[in-house]
This record gives sequence, C-alpha cells and structure tokens, in this order.
Amino acid sequence: DAMVIQNPRYQVTQFGKPVTLSCSQTLNHNVMYWYQQKSSQAPKLLFHYYDKDFNNEADTPDNFQSRRPNTSFCFLDIRSPGLGDAAMYLCATRVLISEKLFFGSGTQLSVL
Amino acid sequence: AQSVAQPEDQVNVAEGNPLTVKCTYSVSGNPYLFWYVQYPNRGLQFLLKYITGDNLVKGSYGFEAEFNKSQTSFHLKKPSALVSDSALYFCAVLNQAGTALIFGKGTTLSVSS
Repeated sequence: DAMVIQNPRYQVTQFGKPVTLSCSQTLNHNVMYWYQQKSSQAPKLLFHYYDKDFNNEADTPDNFQSRRPNTSFCFLDIRSPGLGDAAMYLCATRVLISEKLFFGSGTQLSVL
Repeated sequence: AQSVAQPEDQVNVAEGNPLTVKCTYSVSGNPYLFWYVQYPNRGLQFLLKYITGDNLVKGSYGFEAEFNKSQTSFHLKKPSALVSDSALYFCAVLNQAGTALIFGKGTTLSVSS
C-alpha cells in the first residue's frame, strides 16, 4: 500500500496559471519535503516542514509556496508557473530519528 | 558544503555480471551517505545507507556499497546483475544541518540479457 501519495500523477497547466500539487502520507512522519527533479538532473530540495515549522531553501524561487495544514497533508503551490518550472515534483517524508526518506511517485508537471 | 558526485551518466552491464555504480563525496565532518533507486515513472526508493561502522553496507535487492574514506567514495555494487535492476540510481548525502538529503545527478544502469 502506498504510504506517500501524490496527486495528480500528471498535471498540465498554462503559463502563468496557478497550480497546486498535493501530497498525503499515512506514516505519521513529522518531516515532509518537496523536491524538484528536472530531466537528467538531481532532485533539488525546495523546502521542508518539521511539523509545522517551514524551512525554505535559500535558492527556492518566491513563485513556490507550500502549506501543511496537518501532519498528513502538504501542498505545493506555484503561483505563476513558467516554462522552466516543468519538472517532476517529489514529496518525501521522514521521521526525525531516522535519516531514511520515503518518497511518493511524484507529479509530472507540464507548462504550456 | 556537503555534496556527492556521480561521474558516470550511464553504466551498461550484461546480466549475470557484477556491477558498480560510482559515487564520490565531499563533506565537512562525518558523512552520512545513501543510495536510492528510481524506476520509470516512480518515486525514489531507499536501497542502503552508511552512517558509521563496517565499510561494507548491505541493502535491499542484493545491493551493497563500499565506503572508502581515503578515496572519499561510496560505490554501489552487486555481484550478479539482473535485467530488472535497470533503473536510475542516485547517491545522496545528508546535509550539514542533518535536515535533508542532497542528491547526485544520477546514473542510469542498463542491464542487458
């Protein structure tokens, strides 16, 4: 059974049109991550939550925001998607006493 | 700053032969190193990790990795490759704050029958 679930699997949006990607977990892990993975590149950390504490990477564009309304859910909001934001977006979770990350299957975002 | 490098974009091996996927690291302090695998259209799956202790770490699906401090390497190995091992492999290191993983760019492993 999937423990980190990302919806939708594929998302198409228009240039400049806000889009939200979602992630849910059944693991009750206190840390959740969003990574951006472009083709043939390393997954790049955008931000993470430790419980409700939000941690933004210094080079994450302001265009990217995140919400975590409760332990189970985390959202990635892209306010004005550009063509360069087309990528696979990966959600991951972790319990703080372990270094192991659990990943969802990702959402492939296309920007037209 | 912590980083890992995967010098090979692609590794090709024949089924039944041993495989090695290379990773080198650069860290401040003791390295916490990981290998993940990604199958097509799937998220990353944990294979193994090195925190401390034995230099040879055993993981999932028959994979193992050898930590070499003098060469700052953490190569992934398997004695006998399977076609089903064909996937994208990522080496990663825990960042200095201990809060997140930093990934290498990945190596595509192709195992031919």
